[in-house]
Amino acid sequence: SQQGEEDPQALSIQEGENATMNCSYKTSINNLQWYRQNSGRGLVHLILIRSNEREKHSGRLRVTLDTSKKSSSLLITASRAADTASYFCATDGNTGKLIFGQGTTLQVKP
Amino acid sequence: AAGVIQSPRHLIKEKRETATLKCYPIPRHDTVYWYQQGPGQDPQFLISFYEKMQSDKGSIPDRFSAQQFSDYHSELNMSSLELGDSALYFCASSLGNSAYEQYFGPGTRLTVT
Repeated sequence: SQQGEEDPQALSIQEGENATMNCSYKTSINNLQWYRQNSGRGLVHLILIRSNEREKHSGRLRVTLDTSKKSSSLLITASRAADTASYFCATDGNTGKLIFGQGTTLQVKP
Repeated sequence: AAGVIQSPRHLIKEKRETATLKCYPIPRHDTVYWYQQGPGQDPQFLISFYEKMQSDKGSIPDRFSAQQFSDYHSELNMSSLELGDSALYFCASSLGNSAYEQYFGPGTRLTVT
C-alpha cells in the first residue's frame, strides 16, 4: 500500500460485539477519512477527522487520531450483520488525492 | 440527491483493445479523481482534474489518458489493454481540490480477457 498498514486485515465477530480497526500512515496529513466498501461495490464515506482533532463520533462510529504515532482507529459499537464490509482509512495527499490503506475485512455473524 | 454517475458499470474487453470510462460528477463539483482497485487491493489514485485542468497524477500507465470536459464530466481512456488492467475503476468528485469529503461513484468493473 502507498500509505501504510491496517490492522487487522480480517476481523470476525458476533453481532452486538464491538469492532476495532487500526490504521497507520506515513506522512503528515490535513485529515484522515474512513470509508466502507461492500463486496465489489462503491466506497461510502463514513467519517472525517481533521489533524487537530483527537476523537470524533458519528452514531455507532468512534474515530481516534494520534498524529504523534501517525495512527487512527475506527470503533464500531454494537455491530450488526449489515456492518459486514471492508473498511479503509484514507489520508489526503497534496491536491486532494486520497491515499488508502490496505483495508480491514469485517465479518459480523448474526 | 444526485450522486456521481459512472458508465458503463461493467465492461469486458480483450487484450490490446481500448476502453473509455465516463464519469459525471455531482452538479457544481469541479474536481474529479480517478482510482483503480485491483482484486483484493486498496484503491490506488490514478489522476485528478480541477477546473478542467489536470491537478495531479499518480500511478497511471502511459497507455491511459484522461480529461475533464467543459461540463466537468471526465473520461478515462485506456489503450492496449492488458490482463492486469482488470479492476474496479472509481471516479470521485468534490467541490474544490482540498480533499474534504469526496463522493465516489459506483465504479466501472473492467474485465480484460
